[in-house]
Amino acid sequence: ETGVTQTPRHLVMGMTNKKSLKCEQHLGHNAMYWYKQSAKKPLELMFVYSLEERVENNSVPSRFSPECPNSSHLFLHLHTLQPEDSALYLCASSQEAGLAGSGELFFGEGSRLTVL
Amino acid sequence: AQKVTQAQTEISVVEKEDVTLDCVYETRDTTYYLFWYKQPPSGELVFLIRRNSFDEQNEISGRYSWNFQKSTSSFNFTITASQVVDSAVYFCALSSYSGAGSYQLTFGKGTKLSVIP
Repeated sequence: ETGVTQTPRHLVMGMTNKKSLKCEQHLGHNAMYWYKQSAKKPLELMFVYSLEERVENNSVPSRFSPECPNSSHLFLHLHTLQPEDSALYLCASSQEAGLAGSGELFFGEGSRLTVL
Repeated sequence: AQKVTQAQTEISVVEKEDVTLDCVYETRDTTYYLFWYKQPPSGELVFLIRRNSFDEQNEISGRYSWNFQKSTSSFNFTITASQVVDSAVYFCALSSYSGAGSYQLTFGKGTKLSVIP
Protein backbone atom coordinates (compact mmCIF):
# COMPACT_ATOMS: atom_id res chain seq x y z
CA GLU A 1 0.00 0.00 0.00
CA THR A 2 1.13 3.54 -0.62
CA GLY A 3 2.13 5.63 2.38
CA VAL A 4 -0.84 8.02 2.42
CA THR A 5 -4.15 7.01 0.91
CA GLN A 6 -7.03 9.37 0.23
CA THR A 7 -10.62 8.55 -0.68
CA PRO A 8 -12.55 9.40 -2.68
CA ARG A 9 -10.27 10.58 -5.46
CA HIS A 10 -13.06 12.60 -7.01
CA LEU A 11 -16.18 14.05 -5.43
CA VAL A 12 -18.97 16.16 -6.87
CA MET A 13 -21.44 17.62 -4.43
CA GLY A 14 -24.19 20.19 -4.26
CA MET A 15 -24.05 23.09 -1.87
CA THR A 16 -26.55 21.48 0.50
CA ASN A 17 -24.86 18.08 0.67
CA LYS A 18 -22.82 16.63 3.50
CA LYS A 19 -19.84 14.53 2.54
CA SER A 20 -16.52 13.46 4.04
CA LEU A 21 -13.00 13.02 2.76
CA LYS A 22 -10.89 10.28 4.27
CA CYS A 23 -7.16 9.98 4.68
CA GLU A 24 -5.18 7.05 6.01
CA GLN A 25 -1.44 6.87 6.55
CA HIS A 26 0.52 3.65 6.85
CA LEU A 27 3.82 5.21 7.86
CA GLY A 28 3.51 5.23 11.62
CA HIS A 29 3.62 9.02 11.67
CA ASN A 30 2.25 11.10 14.50
CA ALA A 31 1.13 14.19 12.61
CA MET A 32 -1.40 14.62 9.85
CA TYR A 33 -2.43 17.61 7.76
CA TRP A 34 -5.08 18.87 5.40
CA TYR A 35 -4.01 21.19 2.60
CA LYS A 36 -6.15 22.92 -0.01
CA GLN A 37 -4.79 23.37 -3.51
CA SER A 38 -6.72 25.78 -5.71
CA ALA A 39 -5.84 26.76 -9.24
CA LYS A 40 -3.13 29.40 -9.44
CA LYS A 41 -2.80 29.69 -5.65
CA PRO A 42 -0.18 28.33 -3.27
CA LEU A 43 -1.01 25.33 -1.17
CA GLU A 44 -2.96 26.44 1.85
CA LEU A 45 -2.58 24.66 5.17
CA MET A 46 -6.01 24.03 6.68
CA PHE A 47 -5.49 21.82 9.72
CA VAL A 48 -2.70 20.12 11.62
CA TYR A 49 -3.14 17.24 14.02
CA SER A 50 -0.43 15.91 16.26
CA LEU A 51 -1.10 12.73 18.20
CA GLU A 52 -4.78 13.14 17.39
CA GLU A 53 -4.97 16.64 18.83
CA ARG A 54 -5.58 19.63 16.61
CA VAL A 55 -2.59 21.94 16.93
CA GLU A 56 -3.28 24.40 14.17
CA ASN A 57 -6.32 25.75 12.39
CA ASN A 58 -5.58 28.45 9.86
CA SER A 59 -8.91 30.28 10.15
CA VAL A 60 -10.75 27.77 8.02
CA PRO A 61 -14.53 28.30 7.62
CA SER A 62 -16.65 26.15 9.88
CA ARG A 63 -18.19 24.38 6.89
CA PHE A 64 -14.98 22.34 6.96
CA SER A 65 -14.78 20.13 10.04
CA PRO A 66 -11.79 17.87 10.62
CA GLU A 67 -11.73 14.71 12.68
CA CYS A 68 -8.75 12.65 13.75
CA PRO A 69 -9.92 9.51 15.57
CA ASN A 70 -6.41 8.04 15.75
CA SER A 71 -2.95 8.80 14.48
CA SER A 72 -3.52 6.84 11.26
CA HIS A 73 -6.82 8.35 10.14
CA LEU A 74 -7.92 11.85 9.29
CA PHE A 75 -11.27 13.00 8.00
CA LEU A 76 -12.53 16.25 6.55
CA HIS A 77 -16.28 16.63 6.93
CA LEU A 78 -17.87 18.94 4.38
CA HIS A 79 -21.17 20.74 4.90
CA THR A 80 -22.96 23.44 2.86
CA LEU A 81 -19.91 24.21 0.77
CA GLN A 82 -19.62 26.99 -1.77
CA PRO A 83 -18.50 26.69 -5.40
CA GLU A 84 -15.25 28.49 -4.49
CA ASP A 85 -14.42 25.54 -2.25
CA SER A 86 -13.85 23.44 -5.36
CA ALA A 87 -10.21 22.39 -5.19
CA LEU A 88 -7.81 19.52 -4.69
CA TYR A 89 -7.65 18.60 -1.02
CA LEU A 90 -4.38 16.99 -0.05
CA CYS A 91 -3.67 15.02 3.07
CA ALA A 92 -0.13 14.71 4.37
CA SER A 93 1.68 13.17 7.29
CA SER A 94 4.99 13.66 9.02
CA GLN A 95 6.85 11.97 11.80
CA GLU A 96 6.04 14.77 14.22
CA ALA A 97 4.17 18.05 13.84
CA GLY A 98 6.92 19.97 15.54
CA LEU A 99 9.29 18.79 12.88
CA ALA A 100 6.97 19.60 9.99
CA GLY A 101 9.33 22.23 8.84
CA SER A 102 12.55 20.40 9.34
CA GLY A 103 11.21 17.06 8.25
CA GLU A 104 9.53 15.99 5.09
CA LEU A 105 5.84 15.66 4.46
CA PHE A 106 4.37 12.63 2.78
CA PHE A 107 1.35 13.48 0.68
CA GLY A 108 -1.59 11.52 -0.61
CA GLU A 109 -2.81 11.85 -4.18
CA GLY A 110 -5.58 14.18 -3.15
CA SER A 111 -9.35 14.33 -3.40
CA ARG A 112 -10.61 16.49 -6.27
CA LEU A 113 -13.73 18.25 -5.00
CA THR A 114 -16.22 20.00 -7.24
CA VAL A 115 -19.04 21.96 -5.63
CA LEU A 116 -21.97 22.70 -7.91
CA ALA B 1 6.07 36.98 7.30
CA GLN B 2 7.71 34.57 4.94
CA LYS B 3 7.21 34.27 1.23
CA VAL B 4 8.26 32.01 -1.61
CA THR B 5 8.26 33.23 -5.18
CA GLN B 6 8.44 30.97 -8.19
CA ALA B 7 8.36 33.46 -11.01
CA GLN B 8 8.12 30.87 -13.76
CA THR B 9 4.54 29.71 -14.03
CA GLU B 10 5.10 27.30 -16.91
CA ILE B 11 8.17 26.07 -18.74
CA SER B 12 8.38 23.86 -21.81
CA VAL B 13 11.58 22.18 -22.91
CA VAL B 14 12.48 19.55 -25.44
CA GLU B 15 13.64 16.23 -24.08
CA LYS B 16 17.36 16.10 -23.18
CA GLU B 17 17.56 19.85 -22.63
CA ASP B 18 18.66 21.18 -19.25
CA VAL B 19 16.17 23.29 -17.35
CA THR B 20 16.44 25.44 -14.22
CA LEU B 21 13.49 26.21 -11.98
CA ASP B 22 13.89 29.38 -9.96
CA CYS B 23 12.91 29.91 -6.35
CA VAL B 24 13.37 33.09 -4.34
CA TYR B 25 12.38 33.27 -0.71
CA GLU B 26 11.92 35.86 1.99
CA THR B 27 12.24 35.29 5.71
CA ARG B 28 13.52 37.15 8.73
CA ASP B 29 14.59 33.99 10.48
CA THR B 30 18.19 32.90 10.54
CA THR B 31 17.26 29.26 10.90
CA TYR B 32 14.99 27.90 8.24
CA TYR B 33 14.57 25.00 5.84
CA LEU B 34 14.03 24.92 2.12
CA PHE B 35 12.31 22.19 0.17
CA TRP B 36 11.47 21.13 -3.33
CA TYR B 37 8.48 18.94 -4.04
CA LYS B 38 7.33 17.39 -7.31
CA GLN B 39 3.64 16.97 -8.14
CA PRO B 40 3.11 14.60 -11.07
CA PRO B 41 -0.28 14.37 -12.81
CA SER B 42 -1.39 11.74 -10.30
CA GLY B 43 -1.63 14.48 -7.70
CA GLU B 44 0.54 13.56 -4.73
CA LEU B 45 3.43 15.83 -3.84
CA VAL B 46 6.72 13.97 -3.70
CA PHE B 47 9.51 15.23 -1.50
CA LEU B 48 12.74 15.85 -3.42
CA ILE B 49 15.11 17.68 -1.12
CA ARG B 50 15.47 19.59 2.15
CA ARG B 51 18.24 22.07 2.95
CA ASN B 52 18.79 23.95 6.16
CA SER B 53 19.89 27.55 6.20
CA PHE B 54 23.36 26.74 7.52
CA ASP B 55 24.27 24.41 4.72
CA GLU B 56 24.97 26.23 1.48
CA GLN B 57 26.63 23.33 -0.23
CA ASN B 58 25.11 22.58 -3.57
CA GLU B 59 23.71 19.13 -3.96
CA ILE B 60 23.52 16.75 -6.87
CA SER B 61 21.35 13.68 -7.07
CA GLY B 62 21.49 11.99 -10.43
CA ARG B 63 20.10 14.41 -13.00
CA TYR B 64 18.88 16.77 -10.28
CA SER B 65 20.96 19.52 -8.71
CA TRP B 66 20.20 22.34 -6.35
CA ASN B 67 21.93 25.70 -5.99
CA PHE B 68 21.35 27.39 -2.63
CA GLN B 69 22.60 30.97 -2.35
CA LYS B 70 21.79 32.88 0.82
CA SER B 71 23.23 36.09 -0.60
CA THR B 72 20.45 36.20 -3.17
CA SER B 73 17.87 34.23 -1.13
CA SER B 74 17.55 31.72 -3.90
CA PHE B 75 17.24 27.95 -4.03
CA ASN B 76 17.20 26.98 -7.68
CA PHE B 77 16.62 23.51 -9.05
CA THR B 78 18.23 22.21 -12.25
CA ILE B 79 17.26 19.12 -14.17
CA THR B 80 19.94 17.94 -16.56
CA ALA B 81 19.04 16.03 -19.71
CA SER B 82 15.33 16.32 -19.02
CA GLN B 83 13.01 13.41 -19.67
CA VAL B 84 9.29 13.18 -20.35
CA VAL B 85 8.81 11.68 -16.87
CA ASP B 86 10.06 14.95 -15.40
CA SER B 87 6.86 16.65 -16.56
CA ALA B 88 5.14 17.81 -13.39
CA VAL B 89 4.49 20.82 -11.24
CA TYR B 90 7.41 21.62 -8.98
CA PHE B 91 6.96 23.45 -5.70
CA CYS B 92 9.55 25.25 -3.67
CA ALA B 93 8.76 25.63 0.03
CA LEU B 94 10.21 27.44 3.03
CA SER B 95 9.84 26.54 6.66
CA SER B 96 10.84 28.37 9.78
CA TYR B 97 10.06 28.01 13.43
CA SER B 98 6.82 29.70 14.41
CA GLY B 99 6.90 29.02 18.12
CA ALA B 100 5.23 26.51 20.44
CA GLY B 101 7.12 23.65 18.86
CA SER B 102 5.72 24.08 15.39
CA TYR B 103 7.03 25.22 12.03
CA GLN B 104 5.31 27.34 9.43
CA LEU B 105 5.65 25.81 5.98
CA THR B 106 5.04 28.16 3.06
CA PHE B 107 4.79 26.93 -0.51
CA GLY B 108 5.39 28.81 -3.72
CA LYS B 109 2.74 28.75 -6.43
CA GLY B 110 4.62 26.13 -8.38
CA THR B 111 6.20 25.86 -11.81
CA LYS B 112 4.63 23.57 -14.35
CA LEU B 113 7.31 21.83 -16.38
CA SER B 114 6.43 20.17 -19.66
CA VAL B 115 9.07 18.05 -21.33
CA ILE B 116 8.28 17.48 -24.99
CA PRO B 117 9.54 14.30 -26.60
